[in-house]
Amino acid sequence: KQEVTQIPAALSVPEGENLVLNCSFTDSAIYNLQWFRQDPGKGLTSLLLIQSSQREQTSGRLNASLDKSSGRSTLYIAASQPGDSATYLCAVRRRDDKIIFGKGTRLHILP
Amino acid sequence: GAGVSQSPSNKVTEKGKDVELRCDPISGHTALYWYRQSLGQGLEFLIYFQGNSAPDKSGLPSDRFSAERTGGSVSTLTIQRTQQEDSAVYLCASSHRRRTGGASGGNTEAFFGQGTRLTVV
Repeated sequence: KQEVTQIPAALSVPEGENLVLNCSFTDSAIYNLQWFRQDPGKGLTSLLLIQSSQREQTSGRLNASLDKSSGRSTLYIAASQPGDSATYLCAVRRRDDKIIFGKGTRLHILP
Repeated sequence: GAGVSQSPSNKVTEKGKDVELRCDPISGHTALYWYRQSLGQGLEFLIYFQGNSAPDKSGLPSDRFSAERTGGSVSTLTIQRTQQEDSAVYLCASSHRRRTGGASGGNTEAFFGQGTRLTVV
């Protein structure tokens, strides 16, 4: 059974700092891993998708890495801004196409 | 439309009534997922459709929940005899099908709708 864990559950950092969000999964037989952000009362916005054959993906100030063998992914946010405040969700797509989510990290950037 | 569309955006219903939630996936996406998100909680998988294959219903919490997908496009999630614990945001997502045979690659990014907030009173 695939379980996805995100640490920390909540994080507050001053504006401008670089930060790392962690995601771990128990079964390395995944097809891909996707990072989302969710603003309060809203749906999910896709940030980055990493295929199982890839090691990292970058988009602007965001960089996501994947180490399938150790069951870990990290989302790196550079030069954080107040607009980055949201809940960040990690999701793994199993080879049977089911997508399993972690419970998320609530991020608050202090102005 | 350009994105995943869900309707209604909000639904208030009386305990014991049936409700239907609708999801219009992105055109061409063969995979469609339903999730439930209770207040302050993570996303709970409910059901998954892939093309014409039998759906994966393993996440449906009880037999009061059912879903169908007509013509491989629009999906309806039905909750019968609603209970207060059914109150949550119901989210729908769609994506292209993954490549089979161990091949990697292909755009299987999942896109979500804005959700339906269901309140059972």
